[in-house]
Amino acid sequence: DTEVTQTPKHLVMGMTNKKSLKCEQHMGHRAMYWYKQKAKKPPELMFVYSYEKLSINESVPSRFSPECPNSSLLNLHLHALQPEDSALYLCASSQPRTGGIEQYFGPGTRLTVT
Amino acid sequence: SQKIEQNSEALNIQEGKTATLTCNYTNYSPAYLQWYRQDPGRGPVFLLLIRENEKEKRKERLKVTFDTTLKQSLFHITASQPADSATYLCALDLRRGNKLVFGAGTILRVKS
Repeated sequence: DTEVTQTPKHLVMGMTNKKSLKCEQHMGHRAMYWYKQKAKKPPELMFVYSYEKLSINESVPSRFSPECPNSSLLNLHLHALQPEDSALYLCASSQPRTGGIEQYFGPGTRLTVT
Repeated sequence: SQKIEQNSEALNIQEGKTATLTCNYTNYSPAYLQWYRQDPGRGPVFLLLIRENEKEKRKERLKVTFDTTLKQSLFHITASQPADSATYLCALDLRRGNKLVFGAGTILRVKS
């Protein structure tokens, strides 16, 4: 199984809502990532988990809160978002080797903040 | 400042021709460089990876070159097909905790 799954596919939320994005992989990968991608822009790294521990936080606002409950699951908790946070949120996974390893991406969650 | 540049305009080519996409970077020292394909509304899909000490890598109809002196990678698709139409992203692998930094991508359109 070389698939990364993400739920939901689409999410519309108000600025006062709390919601969560979910990501799952069963490839035995021990590194998992969250990226944010705006239209016609490249994916931008938000967080990296390695062996279920947060290893990189790219100075993301605290209204985004990642969680890695086990080696197969990655969540992104959302609270008090702004309209400019509307984007495609991509999850990815890989072996945790430092460099030279491909990442497997999920299909993304299209988030709209109203 | 650090920068990654890919062909800013879409690349339109005829079926059967070779598509050549460019990735230039400034003020980075990547240990590896990766190429991904992204279709609209989907996540990127890994295509090829090349190391800093490799000049060229091939996989089926795909070829990538990496020149660390010029700070440039070229990505070639030979015998292109309409199904190759997509956005192609280059990504610098900085060997810092699996971090990838992506270029903005080049839209490739192959017309039959």
